[in-house]
Amino acid sequence: DSGVTQTPKHLITATGQRVTLRCSPRSGDLSVYWYQQSLDQGLQFLIHYYNGEERAKGNILERFSAQQFPDLHSELNLSSLELGDSALYFCASSVAGQGAIFSSYNEQFFGPGTRLTVL
Amino acid sequence: AQTVTQSQPEMSVQEAETVTLSCTYDTSESDYYLFWYKQPPSRQMILVIRQEAYKQQNATENRFSVNFQKAAKSFSLKISDSQLGDAAMYFCAYRSGRSEFDMRFGAGTRLTVKP
Repeated sequence: DSGVTQTPKHLITATGQRVTLRCSPRSGDLSVYWYQQSLDQGLQFLIHYYNGEERAKGNILERFSAQQFPDLHSELNLSSLELGDSALYFCASSVAGQGAIFSSYNEQFFGPGTRLTVL
Repeated sequence: AQTVTQSQPEMSVQEAETVTLSCTYDTSESDYYLFWYKQPPSRQMILVIRQEAYKQQNATENRFSVNFQKAAKSFSLKISDSQLGDAAMYFCAYRSGRSEFDMRFGAGTRLTVKP
C-alpha cells in the first residue's frame, strides 16, 4: 500500500459524458501527478500539481483538466469522452516539487489506479 | 527529448532461474535517474529499484540488480532466483535531474515465470 488513494476503482460510462477521478496523496506529499496508461502501454504523463498550483503539462488533451485543492487532494476531469479515452488513470504523489527543496530522487508513489471504460 | 526503449515485449523464465530485462534510453543530460517499476495483475505500480546516474555502482535490492552502462545508455534489470510472484509487466523509466515531474516510461516487458 503506497498511501495514495484513488476513487473510484472502476468507472464505466458512455461516449460524450464527463467523469471526475479523485486522488488523495500520501500524508505530507505536496505534489500530485496524473498519468494515463492505455492498454498494454507505458504510462503517459498528463499533468503535475504542486501545493495547489499547476506546474507542468504533458500529453493532456484540452478535454481533460485537473485541479488540486487546499487539502491537497486532486481531481482529474475528463469531458466529451471518446472510446479512445478508455484507459487506466494513475495518480502519483511525492514530497516535493521543483526548486530548492528538490530531493535527490523524489520518488513518486503510485495509487492503485482508476480503470475507465468508455462504451 | 528523452526516450526510453524496452525492446523485449515479452520474456519468460523458469522458476529459480535468472532473467535479464533490457532497457535503453536516449538523453543529452548528465544528471538523471532511472527506475524499474513492476506492475502485477493488480495494476499497482511498484518501484523495484532506482539508479542515480552520478553513481557508478550498480543498484541492488535483494534479488533485483541493475547493470547501468552510462556510456551505452543502457539500464538492464536482472532478477535472480525468479519466483512466481515476479510475474508482471516491468517498466523502465527515466527522470530528468532538472525536472522531477518529467518521468518517461518505456512500453514495458511482460515477464512470465514458469513453475
